[in-house]
Amino acid sequence: EADIYQTPRYLVIGTGKKITLECSQTMGHDKMYWYQQDPGMELHLIHYSYGVNSTEKGDLSSESTVSRIRTEHFPLTLESARPSHTSQYLCASSGSHRGQPGYTFGSGTRLTVV
Amino acid sequence: KNEVEQSPQNLTAQEGEFITINCSYSVGISALHWLQQHPGGGIVSLFMLSSGKKKHGRLIATINIQEKHSSLHITASHPRDSAVYICAVQNAGGTSYGKLTFGQGTILTVHP
Repeated sequence: EADIYQTPRYLVIGTGKKITLECSQTMGHDKMYWYQQDPGMELHLIHYSYGVNSTEKGDLSSESTVSRIRTEHFPLTLESARPSHTSQYLCASSGSHRGQPGYTFGSGTRLTVV
Repeated sequence: KNEVEQSPQNLTAQEGEFITINCSYSVGISALHWLQQHPGGGIVSLFMLSSGKKKHGRLIATINIQEKHSSLHITASHPRDSAVYICAVQNAGGTSYGKLTFGQGTILTVHP
């Protein structure tokens, strides 16, 4: 089934820890995105990728980093988590699947740094 | 002024009412998306449209490219429709291609 998967769904972690948020999609989409959403706020793009080995910073500055070694996988890493990183992180992908254009979102990872 | 403006910001309705949420944008777009976000955060894509009108069940989305305006309609609203509805535009061409710019969302509450 075509879908996009994010793990973990919820994460509570201590300050200074390194974390990686996982995102995988099964649709073969070339483009993938990470969006950040603070409670009650709009979503903002923090990273995107147009294909393997292509990553770019988004509109909102973020201390996180991303990698795109495989088409289906777009993990986001925080080397040293801080309370200011507490937020919801949404992964998305876009492209053509079975001849139809589409934009698909993951369920999100709600991160709390204590 | 934001590139994507939604109205109203909050909307309360009684079950069965017809609901309209509006979205205006100021940039060139390749597509416009209507998204639904329930408490808990996951986002579901309702519609992706670049012209005309689309219908799915009780939901109807329209777009007027010349006026840079879109509407989302819900017929016979139900309490389970309560959610945040987000309009997002997909930038047209260049280095921005594919990225979404979001409206601030409309919080819909439908009472039984």
